[in-house]
Amino acid sequence: DAGVIQSPRHEVTEMGQEVTLRCKPISGHDYLFWYRQTMMRGLELLIYFNNNVPIDDSGMPEDRFSAKMPNASFSTLKIQPSEPRDSAVYFCASSYGHPHYGYTFGSGTRLTVV
Amino acid sequence: DAKTTQPPSMDCAEGRAANLPCNHSTISGNEYVYWYRQIHSQGPQYIIHGLKNNETNEMASLIITEDRKSSTLILPHATLRDTAVYYCIVRVGTNAGKSTFGDGTTLTVKP
Repeated sequence: DAGVIQSPRHEVTEMGQEVTLRCKPISGHDYLFWYRQTMMRGLELLIYFNNNVPIDDSGMPEDRFSAKMPNASFSTLKIQPSEPRDSAVYFCASSYGHPHYGYTFGSGTRLTVV
Repeated sequence: DAKTTQPPSMDCAEGRAANLPCNHSTISGNEYVYWYRQIHSQGPQYIIHGLKNNETNEMASLIITEDRKSSTLILPHATLRDTAVYYCIVRVGTNAGKSTFGDGTTLTVKP
């Protein structure tokens, strides 16, 4: 099992540009989570999906952020337009719904907006 | 989800047991205690979880008090590679729900 795969690993973009982060969850997992980590705010849950349906997006900072999960094997987090304060490490995680399973996190995407 | 409280940092000598405490005094009956760790800038890694009973796996042991208001993660023989930030979270057991990560405990294992 290759684990949760995120791409790209690093992204540097200019303010105002659109950024798309990608995630491939572990096959069979029915939950997918997007987290953001910064020094100031720690690990924040942005949004999570169950069976490809968004369940809770209350952590999405503003309308510039959007997330989709068109199928069980792929999800995207899009920022349009990007701002310097969006600079952070974005993690994707997946899990089975049963409580006897923890989350498996990807390696993250380090986003820098200049 | 219940809030957790952890000490910001701890040190441990290499080869000794590391005991990391967590307070979750407002935990509900259907909430599990989970522990994760994050090494440097990698993604958090699941370690162990429990509901009422003590648990042990190849990585660690989890001791939950009888009233479930606190727990301790035990790394029996800490190595330098165990230096990381350790997060204690609680999660409703009916589904994966959403887990809120606090600030965690930075464990530094020293030679």
